[in-house]
Amino acid sequence: QVQLVESGGGVVQPGGSLRLSCAASGFTFSSYGMHWVRQAPGKGLEWVAFIRYDGSNKYYADSVKGRFTISRDNSKNTLYLQMNSLRAEDTAVYYCAKGGVAMVRGVIITRAFDIWGQGTMVTVSS
Amino acid sequence: DIVMTQTPLSLSVTPGQPASISCKSSQSLLHSDGKTYLYWYLQKPGQSPQLLIYEVSSRFSGVPDRFSGSGSGTDFTLKISRVEAEDVGVYYCMQGIHLPGTFGQGTKVEIK
Repeated sequence: QVQLVESGGGVVQPGGSLRLSCAASGFTFSSYGMHWVRQAPGKGLEWVAFIRYDGSNKYYADSVKGRFTISRDNSKNTLYLQMNSLRAEDTAVYYCAKGGVAMVRGVIITRAFDIWGQGTMVTVSS
Repeated sequence: DIVMTQTPLSLSVTPGQPASISCKSSQSLLHSDGKTYLYWYLQKPGQSPQLLIYEVSSRFSGVPDRFSGSGSGTDFTLKISRVEAEDVGVYYCMQGIHLPGTFGQGTKVEIK
């Protein structure tokens, strides 16, 4: 069945790095854009980053720009999020989600996130 | 960024009764292509979010027809015609017309 499985979360000190992975199955991964969305403990949802199906376009939330890098390996059906210079406010459950971003008449629109992973917890603490 | 504001923030509903959640955006979500990029998600306790509604009123695959979405421009509503125990969780609206996509604060629905 269609599935996304995240891994790589853990506890890291402020200023440290972590790489998250998201393994996809049950659909043609190489045909779809993918996102990372996070949720701080007890809080709402925050979009983090997007990568186009072929890796050619990437977008980031201002809060992570310059520190996080989204990438993908279509031969391994896997999405990644490299997180550097981590801060306490990056503490959250990180979800990968399937969904597109498209330029429609000059406006970048975000399509619905139709499949979500179960999430992986990242804790930034000394 | 577009601000999404949901009301109420919590809702306690008797099984079989209707429920309604409002979502207002700080800018119109109507695109020149005629589509309105407003989505609804449900996060059940201990689970990841799941898509319920896309483009205001289209139910995603497998979503029961007791869920319906309506609205236009900046004002939107999610309605549950008859709440069931499995509908408990936090409901989020999200806009997709402007990057970054932004979510409402969430509305927690519980059963009386």
